[in-house]
Amino acid sequence: EDQVTQSPEALRLQEGESSSLNCSYTVSGLRGLFWYRQDPGKGPEFLFTLYSAGEEKEKERLKATLTKKESFLHITAPKPEDSATYLCAAPNQAGTALIFGKGTTLSVSS
Amino acid sequence: DTEVTQTPKHLVMGMTNKKSLKCEQHMGHRAMYWYKQKAKKPPELMFVYSYEKLSINESVPSRFSPECPNSSLLNLHLHALQPEDSALYLCASSQDARGATDTQYFGPGTRLTVL
Repeated sequence: EDQVTQSPEALRLQEGESSSLNCSYTVSGLRGLFWYRQDPGKGPEFLFTLYSAGEEKEKERLKATLTKKESFLHITAPKPEDSATYLCAAPNQAGTALIFGKGTTLSVSS
Repeated sequence: DTEVTQTPKHLVMGMTNKKSLKCEQHMGHRAMYWYKQKAKKPPELMFVYSYEKLSINESVPSRFSPECPNSSLLNLHLHALQPEDSALYLCASSQDARGATDTQYFGPGTRLTVL
């Protein structure tokens, strides 16, 4: 069964305390892995698309990596404004729809 | 520019009302999507339009009726909704219409409350 699982469900960090969010998937023949940030009551904001194992992408304090089984979103020296829910998603095996993980809610305190 | 716009931002309606949600993109994207998102849950796909034609309907009740008048516009017509239909309704678009393998860009959503 196609599945995307994110961990942890919630993460509390102090400002400047780096950490990583995990997204594991069981989709055969992965054709893309997407990371989004979502603030409460708003639509998901696109962060990264990864297509190949070994691929890495960076944006400000965020870096996304992809292996054959999972993806990580590394957050370096986070700030309170990085507080949000981070969603990862992958196309199902048929490629017709995105399967979303349940998200990781990140809280960064100053 | 990767902007998808949605109107209205908020909508309150009774169970006998008829209302419509509107979505617009001017990026030349060939696929457009409607999602429903309940609190603390990930988005759930409702409909996919590919080249202005309905390509996927995820067994959505007929009280939700999508429409794609042209390549830039997507509507969701609502009629006889139930309180459990209250949610954040998200529109998204992607350049590639071949499926879910291309990046989808989401709008800000419409917060719908059904009384």
